[in-house]
Amino acid sequence: NAGVTQTPKFRILKIGQSMTLQCTQDMNHNYMYWYRQDPGMGLKLIYYSVGAGITDKGEVPNGYNVSRSTTEDFPLRLELAAPSQTSVYFCASSRLGQLNYGYTFGSGTRLTVV
Amino acid sequence: QKEVEQDPGPLSVPEGAIVSLNCTYSNSAFQYFMWYRQYSRKGPELLMYTYSSGNKEDGRFTAQVDKSSKYISLFIRDSQPSDSATYLCAMSQAGTALIFGKGTTLSVSS
Repeated sequence: NAGVTQTPKFRILKIGQSMTLQCTQDMNHNYMYWYRQDPGMGLKLIYYSVGAGITDKGEVPNGYNVSRSTTEDFPLRLELAAPSQTSVYFCASSRLGQLNYGYTFGSGTRLTVV
Repeated sequence: QKEVEQDPGPLSVPEGAIVSLNCTYSNSAFQYFMWYRQYSRKGPELLMYTYSSGNKEDGRFTAQVDKSSKYISLFIRDSQPSDSATYLCAMSQAGTALIFGKGTTLSVSS
């Protein structure tokens, strides 16, 4: 029962570099989300997906891209990394119509851009 | 006015105390209200869920929603050192993603 798996756990990027944060879930959840968490700022939604092939922007999408080619995977792409993207990134998933179970979160990717 | 307001604390209490955590919100369309607990360097985990108004109790935890005042609360009875964590309120309308508060950091000393 892996739940939501995020890789890598930690990463240091140089300004201008690119990377992909991986997220996979094995619960057959329809909905998947990417949030970022800055100290004292709660969780802010970057992108979300309601199913394979369907994605939409959240509150803070600039500088990021996503794709959802399968139900299981929802990678987050950072192009031209900037110091403002230093944060902890959480992927989450939920099942359509079962919000009472809430979101299942991964353990996070801690990213530093220098 | 932000959609969800939550006092970040920190809040420090002795073991056995009753803890009250609160959030206010501005969007009257919110119907789903949750509390998540997040331990240091871990992902949030669902603690309590409430639909619309009312109270819900689970062991030492009680969640309250007052939609008329746009105010939700989480009460922790007989607090334990293991309750030391950040507590995030979250809420949404039907069909939309959860919006989170900033989180309140709680420390329970033995």
